[in-house]
Amino acid sequence: DAGITQSPRHKVTETGTPVTLRCHQTENHRYMYWYRQDPGHGLRLIHYSYGVKDTDKGEVSDGYSVSRSKTEDFLLTLESATSSQTSVYFCAISDRAPGANVLTFGAGSRLTVL
Amino acid sequence: KQEVTQIPAALSVPEGENLVLNCSFTDSAIYNLQWFRQDPGKGLTSLLLIQSSQREQTSGRLNASLDKSSGRSTLYIAASQPGDSATYLCAVNNAGNMLTFGGGTRLMVKP
Repeated sequence: DAGITQSPRHKVTETGTPVTLRCHQTENHRYMYWYRQDPGHGLRLIHYSYGVKDTDKGEVSDGYSVSRSKTEDFLLTLESATSSQTSVYFCAISDRAPGANVLTFGAGSRLTVL
Repeated sequence: KQEVTQIPAALSVPEGENLVLNCSFTDSAIYNLQWFRQDPGKGLTSLLLIQSSQREQTSGRLNASLDKSSGRSTLYIAASQPGDSATYLCAVNNAGNMLTFGGGTRLMVKP
């Protein structure tokens, strides 16, 4: 998707290993989000950021941490991956406060934890 | 806690048919509701955003309605085409920074 890039797009890892997913945007948007998508649960918010170094927890934040040291990058880290974290992870961005504008989503990162 | 339900989970129609996708939510105190389209292996594309003060929004062959008091929204697709085949998700914003998504309706339009 234009302006927002997720990496890696696919990753297979083993239980207990650390994993970092990267979201990079070129839109200079203030707000960035990490969601996970699972069958039967739809998309659920993990963490979000409302500015550099400003982050907050979402609905399913346990086992995840985030960092935003630059406007353009929002990192999602799984300190010790578990099989329950096998999912498709989506990053989203917005230039206005939630509720005032639509979100633009990245193409997703498919993570498999064996 | 807000819950969003989409019915049906899957729908198959012949090309040219008009169709309606349904979305219901439990907490009517919402800021807005969005409809998204998701193609296999891809991210989500926003189709329509309806603010809580609005009753409907239109974009081309798509029309989304919102009845906040009853906790319902519908997405109407006119003259469906095979290219409309995708998963359609609705999402409700009622807590400032969180969207609550439904499970989606997987639509197949047959030529």
